[in-house]
Amino acid sequence: AQSVTQLGSHVSVSEGALVLLRCNYSSSVPPYLFWYVQYPNQGLQLLLKYTSAATLVKGINGFEAEFKKSETSFHLTKPSAHMSDAAEYFCAVSGWNSNYQLIWGAGTKLIIKP
Amino acid sequence: EAGVAQSPRYKIIEKRQSVAFWCNPISGHATLYWYQQILGQGPKLLIQFQNNGVVDDSQLPKDRFSAERLKGVDSTLKIQPAKLEDSAVYLCASSPRTGEASYEQYFGPGTRLTVT
Repeated sequence: AQSVTQLGSHVSVSEGALVLLRCNYSSSVPPYLFWYVQYPNQGLQLLLKYTSAATLVKGINGFEAEFKKSETSFHLTKPSAHMSDAAEYFCAVSGWNSNYQLIWGAGTKLIIKP
Repeated sequence: EAGVAQSPRYKIIEKRQSVAFWCNPISGHATLYWYQQILGQGPKLLIQFQNNGVVDDSQLPKDRFSAERLKGVDSTLKIQPAKLEDSAVYLCASSPRTGEASYEQYFGPGTRLTVT
């Protein structure tokens, strides 16, 4: 069965520090990979997506992610954290069936320390 | 371009009562999804529509949940009767049915349901 694993339900970093949120997936077919962000009391917003083009994907708000097939990983990074980055981040994978459905990770809550 | 609209944003009901949620997807998006998101978890797909037909409702608790998408546009999700474990955020998402863009889903703000 397809699955997405996000390491760490909570990640805390200082403002200005590197942000690294980890995502590993299991997929028997080439995946489409996504990172979504959810701010408190809001819906999910697409940060970035990998759809078999460049392995390094740049998204909104200075985030980027690198697809590593050998490691089945799609980790999200940002060089310098800002207070406004505090939110919950979800990794998701699609392409595993013809219905375009997403399989979601459990989410990682990013906490920014001043 | 207007985003996905949902209403109400918040709802508090007692167990055994009924409740309905409404979703208006992005104009022209053929696919519509309803998700349930329990606090601290990722979204769980309840039902997927393609135009006004059901693609997948395998995880919809059909003894109490129902959903429809009339005319392939707006959709309603109903719970009757509600249980305490139904307390969650109900998210609606839509997606175009064109090539790689079909994989990208656009979400509404969600409805936070509290069952007491």
